[in-house]
Amino acid sequence: DTGVSQDPRHKITKRGQNVTFRCDPISEHNRLYWYRQTLGQGPEFLTYFQNEAQLEKSRLLSDRFSAERPKGSFSTLEIQRTEQGDSAMYLCASGWGQGELDTQYFGPGTRLTVL
Amino acid sequence: GEDVEQSLFLSVREGDSSVINCTYTDSSSTYLYWYKQEPGAGLQLLTYIFSNMDMKQDQRLTVLLNKKDKHLSLRIADTQTGDSAIYFCAESPPSGGSYIPTFGRGTSLIVHP
Repeated sequence: DTGVSQDPRHKITKRGQNVTFRCDPISEHNRLYWYRQTLGQGPEFLTYFQNEAQLEKSRLLSDRFSAERPKGSFSTLEIQRTEQGDSAMYLCASGWGQGELDTQYFGPGTRLTVL
Repeated sequence: GEDVEQSLFLSVREGDSSVINCTYTDSSSTYLYWYKQEPGAGLQLLTYIFSNMDMKQDQRLTVLLNKKDKHLSLRIADTQTGDSAIYFCAESPPSGGSYIPTFGRGTSLIVHP
């Protein structure tokens, strides 16, 4: 396994369009996380899954954002009706988390540009 | 990331030691983490420390934790040009049964030959 992969690496879209990003975690990892990172900032937590259960979604930025992880494997992050303020890098990470230790392995990110 | 603070830039000469500092606010974090991000890449976990420890050493990396002051530092010995990157500290306090990671804004380490 070569690590966490994300697709696409870059996405340019027009305001108002929907976009969907995919993340394939390291296969044996049970946790999967989504973050947004803007220039000059650290990753901002959005949501995470333990297996197929979405355990925390209150930090999703608005109801335009949603995430799924069917069957506890890959995950998708969808943004509906994109706005220019959604332009950012979207990072996915996976980890084998049990309890409080939370080591994460990050993918290369999907850079979204909303025109 | 306003709960985790780091200085934004650090410039050192190759071969010197680098010390990157971080302050955090939530003392309930059991573990604290350091990540490295190179240009155009995702974050890479460097090391972590259990909150009951004062120090952890891993090859060229030394992590110091002052839990009383909520201060975390990362020392890189014999800094190389390949260490130039952005370094993030992170806490992961419990929140309603989950652990929500909070990252600082990152410290850009610039290593001069």
